[in-house]
Amino acid sequence: GQQVMQIPQYQHVQEGEDFTTYCNSSTTLSNIQWYKQRPGGHPVFLIQLVKSGEVKKQKRLTFQFGEAKKNSSLHITATQTTDVGTYFCAGYTGTASKLTFGTGTRLQVTL
Amino acid sequence: DTAVSQTPKYLVTQMGNDKSIKCEQNLGHDTMYWYKQDSKKFLKIMFSYNNKELIINETVPNRFSPKSPDKAHLNLHINSLELGDSAVYFCASRKGNTEAFFGQGTRLTVV
Repeated sequence: GQQVMQIPQYQHVQEGEDFTTYCNSSTTLSNIQWYKQRPGGHPVFLIQLVKSGEVKKQKRLTFQFGEAKKNSSLHITATQTTDVGTYFCAGYTGTASKLTFGTGTRLQVTL
Repeated sequence: DTAVSQTPKYLVTQMGNDKSIKCEQNLGHDTMYWYKQDSKKFLKIMFSYNNKELIINETVPNRFSPKSPDKAHLNLHINSLELGDSAVYFCASRKGNTEAFFGQGTRLTVV
């Protein structure tokens, strides 16, 4: 079945440092979504990318969708303590309505 | 006005018991999911319903039985609870291939 892996599994940075998480799918995705889950919370949608090679920005966050539509990345510039949480990518394959989540990257930010 | 609401938020029960978790969404979405999040934070899809019809049934023990009385509700009944069932269970809903909205989660602890 489809597998979606993320690396790293965990990253600890100091406030102000940059952070990147990478997402790789074993199959081609029709689109890729990113979610953030704060400690003790539930996943909250951040963004969706649809086109091959697409890049989107949300303030300090930059999202990319790979040319082959099998990988994606999330880059955070100058992290803040409010960025703490687990970041998940998620994707649909073809016409299936199965939304498969990546393994997640837990980000810890300290002062 | 909570978009996706789950009850209960916490559930502590003994092995062998039967329990239910309820989920309701007021977003008018046509697809609803149950996800299981284990201690490693992996989000695994369990079931998906579209317009009250079961469309995804992952490799889940048949002790787990979902029921969708209407488009706005998706409940999860678990028979003969086991220690390994301890996890956080999330309900989610979406319309089309758009973002998924998650409930607050139900933390199930089997003792």
